[in-house]
Amino acid sequence: NAGVMQNPRHLVRRRGQEARLRCSPVKGHSHVYWYRQLPEEGLKFMVYLQKENIIDESGMPKERFSAEFPKEGPSILRIQQVVRGDSAAYFCASSPLAGIDEKLFFGSGTQLSVL
Amino acid sequence: GDSVTQMEGPVTLSEEAFLTINCTYTATGYPSLFWYVQYPGEGLQLLLKATKADDKGSNKGFEATYRKETTSFHLEKGSVQVSDSAVYFCALSNFGNEKLTFGTGTRLTIIP
Repeated sequence: NAGVMQNPRHLVRRRGQEARLRCSPVKGHSHVYWYRQLPEEGLKFMVYLQKENIIDESGMPKERFSAEFPKEGPSILRIQQVVRGDSAAYFCASSPLAGIDEKLFFGSGTQLSVL
Repeated sequence: GDSVTQMEGPVTLSEEAFLTINCTYTATGYPSLFWYVQYPGEGLQLLLKATKADDKGSNKGFEATYRKETTSFHLEKGSVQVSDSAVYFCALSNFGNEKLTFGTGTRLTIIP
């Protein structure tokens, strides 16, 4: 794997707390994607960002979820006031260009558990 | 909407056995099809892909053929190794990287 770093690997939160998931893309990659895998389901697209811009957030829940990819630093997926249904594996991927399938690199994921 | 149905796991095979993991899809238009693999502790990696009907993707001894008539993209390998133990995801794309649609994944364990 070409080095997408996600942290933490495991995150435990109580209902109502905030969860912040971090993703450092491969050096030089300016496109970041977030996917969520709920138990017993496939990965589902959430949001696509390109440095400082949200390009497509059609897969994001309308409330409590937000994402950013600042000019400096990692991409952050933020979940406010978590509920048990947010428990899932969250995967980040990066690419140097849009639409080039071979160059999509995934991180190992963050497993969020909401108690 | 688009969807991918993947053979449920887990699958356990002996070394050198023949492997098939079934994948069927529902999609509008003419999607590209993929198999991704996730080794323990690592992120998903692209294993192989096919972009049009009758294309065969291949890599590391794995093969899959894009069958439009049966809307399938089954993964095969003639002789598996212990190092093939991983989770395998079938996926499709109508819009490029940002909107891959994945199956649920199949955990494969190969025993010596």
